[in-house]
Amino acid sequence: DVVVTQTPLSLSVTPGQPASISCRSSQSLLHGDGKTYLYWYVQKAGQPPQLLLQEVFIRFSGVPDRFSGSGSGTDFTLTISRVEAEDVGVYYCMQSVQLPWTFGQGTKVEIK
Amino acid sequence: QVQLVGSGGGVVRPGKPLRLSCTPSGFSFSDYALHWVRQAPGKGPEWLSVISHDGSNKLYADSVKGRFTISRDNSKNMLYLQMNSLTGDDTAIYYCARGANTGWFFDHWGRGTLVTVSS
Repeated sequence: DVVVTQTPLSLSVTPGQPASISCRSSQSLLHGDGKTYLYWYVQKAGQPPQLLLQEVFIRFSGVPDRFSGSGSGTDFTLTISRVEAEDVGVYYCMQSVQLPWTFGQGTKVEIK
Repeated sequence: QVQLVGSGGGVVRPGKPLRLSCTPSGFSFSDYALHWVRQAPGKGPEWLSVISHDGSNKLYADSVKGRFTISRDNSKNMLYLQMNSLTGDDTAIYYCARGANTGWFFDHWGRGTLVTVSS
């Protein structure tokens, strides 16, 4: 299975400040079709995960532009340019280049 | 508005079976692959199984292969997960999720249903 590792596991951020989460995979997520199968989800308290970014950097419908993604191959980053109170939650990266699709351990984002 | 609602969870004794259901709305059910994903307490999500839009293809994670069976009834707009030989390791919230038609990911997740395996 592809192992996905996130750092840090928790993050405390002052509102208005940036935050970054790293995601590293045990093998390249670049598929032969040219797409990179790395996704970011956020899970807010008591809710199922919801999609933020697809294929590294494409924002899903309705996702604010303060969320951005970057990276390639095996190293990826989710950046929140200016954290807001509503961004509290656990952030997961997920790979789907190979079954089983696997998730990182999650990064808990809190507000200072 | 896309919605998926999981049901059928509860407390079940080790070794006993349980069947989960997922009721979708807001989209053309028969056009999409559907998945089951679970999340144990304090853990990240774990993909379990996928069924193609017409039910002809099914895949499973090794952790549930041979014990769990995914199925769908497109005439009733229902997704199911039959779970057999349950153990404590199967205790989790179970989510149904819609597979995106534009790539390999979940674009919408349902409200989960909690399964607790305990004697």
